[in-house]
Order: sequence, then C-alpha cells, then structure tokens
Amino acid sequence: AQSVSQHNHHVILSEAASLELGCNYSYGGTVNLFWYVQYPGQHLQLLLKYFSGDPLVKGIKGFEAEFIKSKFSFNLRKPSVQWSDTAEYFCAVGWEVTGTASKLTFGTGTRLQVTL
Amino acid sequence: KAGVTQTPRYLIKTRGQQVTLSCSPISGHRSVSWYQQTPGQGLQFLFEYFSETQRNKGNFPGRFSGRQFSNSRSEMNVSTLELGDSALYLCASTRGGGGELFFGEGSRLTVL
Repeated sequence: AQSVSQHNHHVILSEAASLELGCNYSYGGTVNLFWYVQYPGQHLQLLLKYFSGDPLVKGIKGFEAEFIKSKFSFNLRKPSVQWSDTAEYFCAVGWEVTGTASKLTFGTGTRLQVTL
Repeated sequence: KAGVTQTPRYLIKTRGQQVTLSCSPISGHRSVSWYQQTPGQGLQFLFEYFSETQRNKGNFPGRFSGRQFSNSRSEMNVSTLELGDSALYLCASTRGGGGELFFGEGSRLTVL
C-alpha cells in the first residue's frame, strides 16, 4: 500500500535555527509531491509542490524542498526559521497510478514549535 | 476570489444519527475531494468527485457517501454515526487536472 512517512513528530527550534523535515514515500513511479502547512486555527495551505523538472523547488516564506528520486524522499528545508513558522507541516504524495492526482496520501504531520 | 467554503463548521450528533456536510469549491474548480482528519490517523482520503462523478474512493465503509451537483458543490453524508467518526472533515477543490488542492477550514463533527 502507498504510504508517506514523516519521521519527526514534534520539533522545537529557536528562532534563526535551520530546519529540515524529513518525508519519505513507499515506492516509485510517477509522483506529485507536496508540502502543506496548517497554522494554528487556520486551514491547510500549500507551501510548495513538485511535479517534474528541477528537483529543488522553492515555495512560499523561504521554504524549499528537494526531491531525491533514488531515496523516495522530499525533505523540507528552511535556512532560518521565524516564530511565525510555528505550525503543523504535512508531506503529501499523489501517485499517478491511483488515476487521479487529487487522491493524496498524507504523512502524519510534524508539529514545529519555534521559540523566541 | 472566495476560497473553499464548508458548512456547518461545527456540529454535534449522537450515535446512530446521520449527518450531511456541504462544500462549495472555488469558482471554476470542478474537482472536489473529501478528507477525514483525526489525531490518530491523520489525514485520510475519502473520495473525489469530478463533473458529478465519483472518480476515486478511499478505504472507508459504505456509510460514507458523497455526491456532486452540476454547479460543482458537493455534499458528503455519513449514516449510522459511530463514536469513531468524530473528526475534522476537510473538503478540497482543484480545477481537475491535478495541481494543488485548495482546502476549506473543515467541518468538525463530534459524535456522542
């Protein structure tokens, strides 16, 4: 079965620290990859996405992610986090074999807490 | 433009009852997907509708059903509610050819 793993469940960082959140998915084939963020009390919002092309993608608010096909990974990074980055982060994968790009499998999420 | 709108935002039901949730997608979006979010299971795909047809379905029992209308608005229904159905139900829309999903704020269902 298709699955997505986020290894960090809860991360606490000080402001200005660098961030890397891991995301691995179960197997290959053509995939669409996403990182979504859920700020406290708000709805899920897209941070960035990868469909094809340059495996290093840049998103909003200084976030970026790198797709490494050989490792089935799509890790999220930010060089310097801010207090306002406190949120829950979800990795999501859509496999073309499912027949629709809208059927996403989500990881369990990583709660990021940034301290001042 | 207006985002994805879900109603009601909060509701409380008792076991055995049924519930209907509504979703209005972003104007021009023809695909509507539904997800269930719980602390234990995370976000799980329920089903997707495109042009009034169910295009894909997740691993949920038949008590969970949905439909889409000609204006792309969608409803999902859960019959014979169980305690474990307590969750945040999220609706997402997209134009239909893939791409990012735009999520609503969700309908939080509590089953007592």
